[in-house]
Amino acid sequence: NAGVTQTPKFQVLKTGQSMTLQCAQDMNHNSMYWYRQDPGMGLRLIYYSASEGTTDKGEVPNGYNVSRLNKREFSLRLESAAPSQTSVYFCASSEVFGDEQYFGPGTRLTVT
Amino acid sequence: QKEVEQNSGPLSVPEGAIASLNCTYSDRGSQSFFWYRQYSGKSPELIMSIYSNGDKEDGRFTAQLNKASQYVSLLIRDSQPSDSATYLCAVIFDMRFGAGTRLTVKP
Repeated sequence: NAGVTQTPKFQVLKTGQSMTLQCAQDMNHNSMYWYRQDPGMGLRLIYYSASEGTTDKGEVPNGYNVSRLNKREFSLRLESAAPSQTSVYFCASSEVFGDEQYFGPGTRLTVT
Repeated sequence: QKEVEQNSGPLSVPEGAIASLNCTYSDRGSQSFFWYRQYSGKSPELIMSIYSNGDKEDGRFTAQLNKASQYVSLLIRDSQPSDSATYLCAVIFDMRFGAGTRLTVKP
């Protein structure tokens, strides 16, 4: 039982490049979330999926898109990376929306 | 704007003491509150959830909620060096996290 997994663990991009961060959970949770964490700013919600087939914007959605591929998988895409998107990205899931969340190990992204 | 505020610390306590971590929030409609612990370079892990006014105890941890005053706190009894981490308060009305309080427990 792996919980929440994320790939890749580390990534370096040049400005303007695109990439997709992958997230999967094996806890049969309905809701999934993407956060970014910057020093001194805590976790900020980028997008979430309350249930399979739905996605909604969070606090900081600009520059990102998401896809809820199925109940297990929720991906985050950066279409044209910018240095301001340098951050640590966490995926999380919960049984129902707003309930206790369980986090993946994170992806450390640097955009140069 | 809805806010979750925590004292960033660092908070330093001696081993065996009680560590007290506080969090205030601005949205009176908030119903669910969580405390997470995050070790340096790791992901947040859930410690406690609390939904009703009053205290909730789990081992050495006690969460306290006062909705009228809009604060939630976490007490860690018999603090251990292994408790040294950043503690994040989360208010799950609109998925807002505080910036975290860094706790250091000195042997």
